[in-house]
Amino acid sequence: AQRVTQPEKLLSVFKGAPVELKCNYSYSGSPELFWYVQYSRQRLQLLLRHISRESIKGFTADLNKGETSFHLKKPFAQEEDSAMYYCAPGVNYGGSQGNLIFGKGTKLSVKP
Amino acid sequence: GAGVSQSPRYKVTKRGQDVALRCDPISGHVSLYWYRQALGQGPEFLTYFNYEAQQDKSGLPNDRFSAERPEGSISTLTIQRTEQRDSAMYRCASSLADIQNEKLFFGSGTQLSVL
Repeated sequence: AQRVTQPEKLLSVFKGAPVELKCNYSYSGSPELFWYVQYSRQRLQLLLRHISRESIKGFTADLNKGETSFHLKKPFAQEEDSAMYYCAPGVNYGGSQGNLIFGKGTKLSVKP
Repeated sequence: GAGVSQSPRYKVTKRGQDVALRCDPISGHVSLYWYRQALGQGPEFLTYFNYEAQQDKSGLPNDRFSAERPEGSISTLTIQRTEQRDSAMYRCASSLADIQNEKLFFGSGTQLSVL
């Protein structure tokens, strides 16, 4: 069965500290991978996707196929990064989006 | 509209009643998704549409749940004979196209409480 695991429910760091939100997946084949974020009183929104190799708001995520991980990292956390973060591998329907399977989420709290 | 619109924002109903949740996607978006999120959990896939066609309904938990998108735009998720375990946040999302890596745009959600 396809699964995604975010082992930390809550991650608390101080401003300026590095942060890593862990995500491990169990999939047959090669999933497409996303990180979604929900800031307080805002909608769930895309943060970044693996295919784009992008850095958004200082965050990056590297796919490690050997470890089946897609951890989200930022070298220096900011208070405005405090939010709920969801890792979401996509089911591969042979080219179509299919559906995303979301992890349970990690709440990041950045303290001043 | 500017974004995905869901109504109502909050719905409180008594056990056994039917409820209908509405989603108005971003204009021109082909795909529309329904997710359910229980407290402390991530969003759980229910069903999705391309235009008016329901592509996948494998996530609907039982036959009390149904969804439609008759004209390929607005969608309604209907829960019949609601039960307390149906209480959750129901999220709708849309995407421009049904291709891999397409960004999903989420609505604000409908918080359903079944008493």
